This record gives sequence, structure tokens and C-alpha cells, in this order.
Amino acid sequence: EDKVVQSPLSLVVHEGDTVTLNCSYEVTNFRSLLWYKQEKKAPTFLFMLTSSGIEKKSGRLSSILDKKELFSILNITATQTGDSAVYLCAGIIQGAQKLVFGQGTRLTINP
Amino acid sequence: DAGVIQSPRHEVTEMGQEVTLRCKPISGHNSLFWYRQTMMRGLELLIYFNNNVPIDDSGMPEDRFSAKMPNASFSTLKIQPSEPRDSAVYFCASSLRWTEAFFGQGTRLTVV
Repeated sequence: EDKVVQSPLSLVVHEGDTVTLNCSYEVTNFRSLLWYKQEKKAPTFLFMLTSSGIEKKSGRLSSILDKKELFSILNITATQTGDSAVYLCAGIIQGAQKLVFGQGTRLTINP
Repeated sequence: DAGVIQSPRHEVTEMGQEVTLRCKPISGHNSLFWYRQTMMRGLELLIYFNNNVPIDDSGMPEDRFSAKMPNASFSTLKIQPSEPRDSAVYFCASSLRWTEAFFGQGTRLTVV
């Protein structure tokens, strides 16, 4: 069974801290990994990672994929209260074009 | 483009009633997904379509759930009869082949 596991499930830090969120996957015919941010409503897209070892960056957020060890990390530096959200990762299954989501990491940034 | 559009945004219904959720995907996208999200189980894939054809409905919890996609711009998810344990937020998402999925704002369903 295809599976995506995120850790930690919950994380509370202070504003200004740096956080690392983890995502490991066991997905047959893996193609790509996606990161989403979900605040009060729908998940919004952050990154898509297809190649191993190539970092993607957007402002204070960055992410990288390791296809050998089957995991990805999402880093957020100099966190702000607006970064508080649930962060979801998902694997895309090649051929099936199907997204398998992890259970999410609930990140809380305290002022 | 207005993005993925779902309706209604909120639905409160009595147990045993039929519920129909609607979704309009982003124009040009060829894949459509229905997800259910609860605190306990997170985001679960119920069914997805590729070029209007249902590809995998293994996530549909019971025969009470059914989904259709009569054309490229419209899909429905129906629950009949509804039960309190169906209460959740239901998301529709669409994508182009091999790209990220874009989510609608969701329908919050409460069955009392």
C-alpha cells in the first residue's frame, strides 16, 4: 500500500526559530513529491520536487528531495506567526497520476 | 481563471437525507480528485477521474457514496443516505497531467 508519513505531527516554536518538517514515502512508481500549506481553508501549493538533491526555494521556505532514502524535508527559516498552518506532503504515483497525502504537520509559531 | 469552484460551501442536513456536492475544475485540467478531510483521518482520497473517466474509487468508503463526471467542467459527489459519520470537509482538486493539484475551498458537511 502506498504510504506517506510526516513528522512531527505537531510542532510549536517561537517566532524567529528555524524549523524542519519531514516527509518519508513508500510509493510505488513514484514520480514527484508535493508540499502544501493549509491554513483555515484549502491546501495551497508550495513546491513540487521531482529530482533528487535539487533544492527549491521560495523566500524563507526551501525543500529538497532524496529519492534514494525516500524522504523530503521542508525548511522554514526566521519563522513568523503567519507561517502557522498544517503542512502537507503528497507523493504523485506515475501512471496513476494519483496524489497520496501524509497526515500533515501542524506548525504553531508563537510570538 | 477562478480556480476550482465547489458548492455549496456549507451543508447541514439530517441523517438519511441525500447530499450532493458539486465541483467545477480549472478549465483545461484533465484530472479531478475528491478528498475528504477530518481531524482523525486527515486528507483521504475518495476517487479521482482522468479525462472524465473514474480511475480509482478504492477510497470511496461505502456504496452510499457515488461520484460522476459527466463532462470536463463538472463533477458531483453524492451521499445517499447520509450519516453523522460522514461529517467532514470535502475537497475537490484538479490538475494537469504530472503537475500539482489545485484545491477548491471545500464543502463543510454536517450531518445531524
